[in-house]
Amino acid sequence: GAVVSQHPSRVICKSGTSVKIECRSLDFQATTMFWYRQFPKKSLMLMATSNEGSKATYEQGVEKDKFLINHASLTLSTLTVTSAHPEDSSFYICSCHRSTDTQYFGPGTRLTVL
Amino acid sequence: KQEVTQIPAALSVPEGENLVLNCSFTDSAIYNLQWFRQDPGKGLTSLLLIQSSQREQTSGRLNASLDKSSGRSTLYIAASQPGDSATYLCAVALGNDYKLSFGAGTTVTVRA
Repeated sequence: GAVVSQHPSRVICKSGTSVKIECRSLDFQATTMFWYRQFPKKSLMLMATSNEGSKATYEQGVEKDKFLINHASLTLSTLTVTSAHPEDSSFYICSCHRSTDTQYFGPGTRLTVL
Repeated sequence: KQEVTQIPAALSVPEGENLVLNCSFTDSAIYNLQWFRQDPGKGLTSLLLIQSSQREQTSGRLNASLDKSSGRSTLYIAASQPGDSATYLCAVALGNDYKLSFGAGTTVTVRA
């Protein structure tokens, strides 16, 4: 149990386009979902926390209009990178938190903006 | 702001040797500490979770200790195998909102 999926696993897009990444908890309901980004050989940086049915809470320095998060249900959260630029190229990972339990991480999405 | 540091950044050992990975954190008021494994281009797999009230956790060949007062945790991997090659990440949660602060990781290579 406790499987988290992300789609797509890899995306390449042109500068200026928007990209949507989905995060799903497949066999449990996640009370909270987290979005992280990771640069090569660097740590994971928390971007935002999202709870179902409410607005996401963004970490300091993360532009909420740039990284749109929608938490539509207890099993689905989406991250949309709007008007993507090359500096947005990164590895994006979501995690799903189940009450009184640890976080379960998705496999990640590699975004490359040309 | 919680700062998490992992030393060394990389480690290469021959198969069979024991591994010792270090993690330090600046704010000792943690909720819990976790060790994760990350394979290249993949997500994270939780290895061990230590609650703030615990001193260590064990799972198979893995043992993690926690010393809150000194802000340190150590992950021991006994009798390393080539399949243990991966990046190991340490993460601390400050509160029950479960937000995690991660270290940069230690990349381990076990040579056959």
